[in-house]
Amino acid sequence: ETGVTQTPRHLVMGMTNKKSLKCEQHLGHNAMYWYKQSAKKPLELMFVYNFKEQTENNSVPSRFSPECPNSSHLFLHLHTLQPEDSALYLCASSQDRPGHNNYGYTFGSGTRLTVV
Amino acid sequence: SQKIEQNSEALNIQEGKTATLTCNYTNYSPAYLQWYRQDPGRGPVFLLLIRENEKEKRKERLKVTFDTTLKQSLFHITASQPADSATYLCADDMRFGAGTRLTVKP
Repeated sequence: ETGVTQTPRHLVMGMTNKKSLKCEQHLGHNAMYWYKQSAKKPLELMFVYNFKEQTENNSVPSRFSPECPNSSHLFLHLHTLQPEDSALYLCASSQDRPGHNNYGYTFGSGTRLTVV
Repeated sequence: SQKIEQNSEALNIQEGKTATLTCNYTNYSPAYLQWYRQDPGRGPVFLLLIRENEKEKRKERLKVTFDTTLKQSLFHITASQPADSATYLCADDMRFGAGTRLTVKP
């Protein structure tokens, strides 16, 4: 375990469903991130939260809705997704930006999402 | 546009040899570059961070270099082992390359 826990590990949902992904870290980090990883494509940054405030939204469609109730928890609410949204969704955390302290991001194991 | 690229999708080497992976950046100057290892079905694991004013950084069998003239970082694994087989990703602040899948054959 890396210290970043993501649930569920796998999720199959229909295009009309609503579901949520959960991420939890107890590393004391102040920043949390959502990334999308599709086959043969680089990780795509989706959202950044710093001290519970959203600091970056990388032009993500509104069918993805993040929520960060506190510095330890991050959610990604999903509704009316498309099949092309099928991917591995990774949560990460860090203490400040990596360049401030020589430590990188700590990633969870991801949620494998399949939209049918 | 600013890009960070790993041009080799895959690299196969023999056990005991040195693996060298390349990361190139274009149209900007990152203050630092990071390297991660990713195993199938898992999230990336942080390995090393090197700043633009550092020529080289080492950690056990790993070595990373940063060449601002060539706009390139090299990642070396010496005395490679089959257990080093994985995908290796480079990243700047929050942007990642596509990764290079390394296979070390016994």
